[in-house]
Amino acid sequence: GDSVTQMEGPVTLSEEAFLTINCTYTATGYPSLFWYVQYPGEGLQLLLKATKADDKGSNKGFEATYRKETTSFHLEKGSVQVSDSAVYFCALSERGNKLVFGAGTILRVKS
Amino acid sequence: DTGVSQDPRHKITKRGQNVTFRCDPISEHNRLYWYRQTLGQGPEFLTYFQNEAQLEKSRLLSDRFSAERPKGSFSTLEIQRTEQGDSAMYLCASSLALGQETQYFGPGTRLLVL
Repeated sequence: GDSVTQMEGPVTLSEEAFLTINCTYTATGYPSLFWYVQYPGEGLQLLLKATKADDKGSNKGFEATYRKETTSFHLEKGSVQVSDSAVYFCALSERGNKLVFGAGTILRVKS
Repeated sequence: DTGVSQDPRHKITKRGQNVTFRCDPISEHNRLYWYRQTLGQGPEFLTYFQNEAQLEKSRLLSDRFSAERPKGSFSTLEIQRTEQGDSAMYLCASSLALGQETQYFGPGTRLLVL
């Protein structure tokens, strides 16, 4: 079945550092790919998405590119802030149906 | 747009009791999903509805779990004879049923079974 693997955390960075969180997937078809974020004490929020190969999703300075050849959707940000501290989930969906999530990566940003 | 709401936000119950959770989706959304999230893990799919029809159920959804969406609006998730392993966050999400539509999540109901 479909699955998502993302790098284990926690990831601890200093403010203004570069962020990469790796995500790879296994799917039978051509899924849409998502990054969701969960801030402390809050619900899951969509951060960005990409629906086909080579699409780049972006939001709030975060970017991820849908790489079909490497089945990856790595999340990047050029300069993190303390307010980016959260749990980040990579997910896929086939045909607009259920989401399949990775285990999540905790990001801690120190000032 | 008031977003997806869930009630209650927290529930503590004793093993063997029944519990029911409610989800109110975004008003124009005709798809509604239930997920379960345990500590340190990503959400896992349980079931989803398009309007009032339940279209898919996960193998995680044992016979003790039942979900309904009687009028295609709000949904309820009932767990009968709760077990300690049912302790988790139960998340509801809704979306439009048009291709790869984004799912919007509610705040969740945290269940603790003693």
